[in-house]
Amino acid sequence: GAVVSQHPSRVICKSGTSVKIECRSLDFQATTMFWYRQFPKKSLMLMATSNEGSKATYEQGVEKDKFLINHASLTLSTLTVTSAHPEDSSFYICSAQGTTGEQYFGPGTRLTVT
Amino acid sequence: AQSVAQPEDQVNVAEGNPLTVKCTYSVSGNPYLFWYVQYPNRGLQFLLKYITGDNLVKGSYGFEAEFNKSQTSFHLKKPSALVSDSALYFCAVSPTDSWGKLQFGAGTQVVVTP
Repeated sequence: GAVVSQHPSRVICKSGTSVKIECRSLDFQATTMFWYRQFPKKSLMLMATSNEGSKATYEQGVEKDKFLINHASLTLSTLTVTSAHPEDSSFYICSAQGTTGEQYFGPGTRLTVT
Repeated sequence: AQSVAQPEDQVNVAEGNPLTVKCTYSVSGNPYLFWYVQYPNRGLQFLLKYITGDNLVKGSYGFEAEFNKSQTSFHLKKPSALVSDSALYFCAVSPTDSWGKLQFGAGTQVVVTP
């Protein structure tokens, strides 16, 4: 099946710093990628839809200036958490949509802000 | 507005017994329905989907799901559970007019005991 990677798998940063998370579709081109946030023992919450070459579409309640999304190519989308705070600590998961419409999920990135 | 309900937080089943994970949905129009499985600290793995056609959908690892339009349900089933099936299972729905924007259920933890 299609493979989606995320880097880093886990990151610890200090409060006030910014962190960039990469999402790559390794063996297919994805015009659309999605970013989710998952709290412990909770469901996934869609944060934003990322379309190659255009601005991301954010879900209601998600701060676009805090969670910067860039989709520079058909195989790469990045999520930057700016001025991170402890409440931003979470498990961030991306997915890439293939031509058949299915979403293939990355392994996730565990962010801990101290 | 669309929604997905997974009424059980946890399902316990003995190895070799049938496994059922329940899911009901509410969405206008004809939905696209999905099941995903998540292992600890991992991303989601696609199990199966219903788009149209036969109401009984067969997926990965011996799982299947039945789409029931009158009951608005899409329960996941496996005739004989394995210990390795122990994981977190998510039902998700995508409306046909916004293909890709998945709404996830809260998740059901499946515990299969030897």
